[in-house]
Amino acid sequence: QSVLTQPPSASGTPGQRVTISCSGSSSNIGSNIVNWYQQLPGTAPKLLIYSNNQRPSGVPDRFSGSKSGTSASLAISGLQSEDEAGYYCAAWDDSLNGVIFGGGTKLTVL
Amino acid sequence: QLQLQESGPGLVKPSETLSLTCTVSGGSISDSSFYWGWIRQPPGKGLEWIGNIYYSGSTYYIPSLKSRVTISVDTSKNQFSLRLSSVTAADTAVYYCARGPAVYLSYWYFDLWGRGTLVTVSS
Repeated sequence: QSVLTQPPSASGTPGQRVTISCSGSSSNIGSNIVNWYQQLPGTAPKLLIYSNNQRPSGVPDRFSGSKSGTSASLAISGLQSEDEAGYYCAAWDDSLNGVIFGGGTKLTVL
Repeated sequence: QLQLQESGPGLVKPSETLSLTCTVSGGSISDSSFYWGWIRQPPGKGLEWIGNIYYSGSTYYIPSLKSRVTISVDTSKNQFSLRLSSVTAADTAVYYCARGPAVYLSYWYFDLWGRGTLVTVSS
């Protein structure tokens, strides 16, 4: 069981806005930044959001990240079929002294 | 542009040592702006960070694997490597090498990933 808790699945229709949550504790999200990765089927993960809400070059502004207390969220607006993928949150954990990932959320575009 | 490519045996016997190499092309592993890391993903499961190394050789490992893991760097070959000893079936996974900016520990993230290589532990 992951230290960071994500819903195993989420879904939405094209054009819709969906959010994916990531719940942690004071030793990880509560005191450190959160990053998000997108993993398309059969491919390597790709950095989607870093430092809570920063988008790397090339990532559409439809993707946004936020953090409040010990939880973080990834929002995807204007949902597209190509957004169907696995999404993982990640953060440093001061107690475990390492990088931890959430269990992942599989997003389905209906 | 910079690319990462994992290589190594796809099948390892239980109790033996898993050895993988990540070759960096299109850039220098000695670039002080970056660190280099390994992450794995068991089939159908989530991601697990294994450890990071800086070009100088400084390493950080996940505590749960620390006793079995060694990550090293060979700047002359522009490669870094992973060794995981005493493997069991639980170590079966896709192993990814990745790059991240050289920032303070708690700000770490991976901005470039290799394609990954599947390693199966089986007799």
